Amino acid sequence: QKEVEQDPGPLSVPEGAIVSLNCTYSNSAFQYFMWYRQYSRKGPELLMYTYSSGNKEDGRFTAQVDKSSKYISLFIRDSQPSDSATYLCAMWYSGGGADGLTFGKGTHLIIQP
Amino acid sequence: NAGVTQTPKFQVLKTGQSMTLQCAQDMNHNSMYWYRQDPGMGLRLIYYSASEGTTDKGEVPNGYNVSRLNKREFSLRLESAAPSQTSVYFCASSEAGSGNTIYFGEGSWLTVV
Repeated sequence: QKEVEQDPGPLSVPEGAIVSLNCTYSNSAFQYFMWYRQYSRKGPELLMYTYSSGNKEDGRFTAQVDKSSKYISLFIRDSQPSDSATYLCAMWYSGGGADGLTFGKGTHLIIQP
Repeated sequence: NAGVTQTPKFQVLKTGQSMTLQCAQDMNHNSMYWYRQDPGMGLRLIYYSASEGTTDKGEVPNGYNVSRLNKREFSLRLESAAPSQTSVYFCASSEAGSGNTIYFGEGSWLTVV
C-alpha cells in the first residue's frame, strides 16, 4: 500500500464550480499537510500547508485535514481557467527529515471556460 | 526575488555522457534537495543536503552524485547518463528541518538518447 494516494484525474469542471481535490494516507505520523500547484512545464508551487487536523482558508482555497480518517482535501471556490493545473498533496512529519516528506502523484485539474 | 534557480532548463545527452545540473537559492535556506519527476511516478527524492557540508541519499540515488558547494548552491551530476535518467529534475530548498515549506525551482528537462 502506497503511503499517499491521489486520483490522477483528469478532473474537468466548468468555470465557477467548486472543486474538491483529495488525498488519503496511511502513515499516522504525518503532522503537516501541504498542497502544491504545478502548471505545465513549471515547478511545483506551495499553495498552503496545515498542521494537524482542521481547516485553513486562503482566499478561494480551503484545505481540510481529517486525521481520524487519514484524509485531506483542497477546495477551490469560484474556479477559474487559471486554476487549471496539476495539484499535488504532500505530507511530512517533524523529525523525519527529507525522507519524511511524501508527495502524492498529483491530480490534473481542467477548468472549462 | 529569484527563489530557486536551476540551469540548464533543457538538455539532450547521449548515453554515457556526463553533465551537471546547477542549482542556487537566494532565500538563505539551510536545506536543499534534488527530485526527479516522471509520468505516473510522481516526485522522487534523489539526494538532499540538510545543511552546508552534508549530503544524504534519497529514494533513487543510483547513477547520481551531488555537491553542496556552499549554502546557496547544490549541484547534481550524472557521471554516465543512461536513457532511464530521462526525466524532469527539480531542485528545492527549505529552512532547516522544515519539510512543510519546500520551494521548488522551475525544473530541468533532460533527455538521454
